Amino acid sequence: ILNVEQSPQSLHVQEGDSTNFTCSFPSSNFYALHWYRWETAKSPEALFVMTLNGDEKKKGRISATLNTKEGYSYLYIKGSQPEDSATYLCVSTSGTYKYIFGTGTRLKVLA
Amino acid sequence: DGGITQSPKYLFRKEGQNVTLSCEQNLNHDAMYWYRQDPGQGLRLIYYSQIVNDFQKGDIAEGYSVSREKKESFPLTVTSAQKNPTAFYLCASSILQGYSPLHFGNGTRLTVT
Repeated sequence: ILNVEQSPQSLHVQEGDSTNFTCSFPSSNFYALHWYRWETAKSPEALFVMTLNGDEKKKGRISATLNTKEGYSYLYIKGSQPEDSATYLCVSTSGTYKYIFGTGTRLKVLA
Repeated sequence: DGGITQSPKYLFRKEGQNVTLSCEQNLNHDAMYWYRQDPGQGLRLIYYSQIVNDFQKGDIAEGYSVSREKKESFPLTVTSAQKNPTAFYLCASSILQGYSPLHFGNGTRLTVT
């Protein structure tokens, strides 16, 4: 994998459902994996930065895992709420300045 | 509160005119970046700067220029040489490159007709 790929591109879930997204990234020369939440009309906000294989991070109802050997990360949202509606960006870094962005997963939580 | 300010939010220009987008941060970050977003694509790096008076081209620097005369400021000029300038532009900063999370401005939507 040369690029950062996210799936699905978009999804709709009902309020209260749990959901998860996938991010695939280049596993060679890996440095860090970032997740951002980007709400409409706001700027992207960092959720997690992970560097170690097996890392798990949690922030409220949102958690993320990292597998650097196979080059993937999962983002989980437990009990989705309408305020979770946003685009979730995955960003991989290798080396110094190079932040490589995925195209994002657009989540819409229906009340 | 610390943050990044981009201005203006919307910008309209005629083809052939240069236009400068402003980006100011008061986070005391050394590294600053300019990204461009087009529909269906991830953010692409235009230019970045690690320190005052130094900047490097990113993946799509052609038709753009930047300056970094002050730590707080990293303006981007979209020149008439940029063939497809209509896009959404995001400025960001970070403490350290790569590991540190990026802090973003709210973006400028540029429309060139």
